[in-house]
Amino acid sequence: AQTVTQSQPEMSVQEAETVTLSCTYDTSENNYYLFWYKQPPSRQMILVIRQEAYKQQNATENRFSVNFQKAAKSFSLKISDSQLGDTAMYFCAFMKVTGNTGKLIFGQGTTLQVKP
Amino acid sequence: NAGVMQNPRHLVRRRGQEARLRCSPVKGHSHVYWYRQLPEEGLKFMVYLQKENIIDESGMPKERFSAEFPKEGPSILRIQQVVRGDSAAYFCASSPRYTGANVLTFGAGSRLTVL
Repeated sequence: AQTVTQSQPEMSVQEAETVTLSCTYDTSENNYYLFWYKQPPSRQMILVIRQEAYKQQNATENRFSVNFQKAAKSFSLKISDSQLGDTAMYFCAFMKVTGNTGKLIFGQGTTLQVKP
Repeated sequence: NAGVMQNPRHLVRRRGQEARLRCSPVKGHSHVYWYRQLPEEGLKFMVYLQKENIIDESGMPKERFSAEFPKEGPSILRIQQVVRGDSAAYFCASSPRYTGANVLTFGAGSRLTVL
């Protein structure tokens, strides 16, 4: 069975600075997808970034980038130039490719507070 | 271009009553997924449906919970004889077909409170 672990329940960062959120996962699959979702106070789940495991290059979306270490089963999210609107809960998620049924495995989440 | 629409956004039920949560997927999406989020936890997969078919219900409690996605109309998650432990946010997501490359689009969730 796959598991996803986020070991930082809460983080804070000053506006305009950089913060990194950690995520590790456990799987015996070789091909899979990894995601970071943002859940602001509105509770809407918003996709931040995704990574295909077969791609060595780290995904980047504007101020958001990941550090994907497949051998270490680590998938951290870096937020650069943090903005107040980044304040939210962030979830790391795993989805296997084979027999895929849309089943995302989520971590426990990290609450990020961006301070002015 | 409406996204995934869930209603009601908030539902209050007393123990023993029934709760029905509705989900209209993104137009053109034929796959629907239901997830549950307990307080202070991540989302947990419940069920995956295509039109008129349940594909994977491995995350559904064996009793009191059921889901359907009829040929016409929204997907329904039904909880019979609710208990306090059912209090949670229930999220619906949809995708056009196979996921992975096609990312799930989530609705805003329905928050169920059981008194």
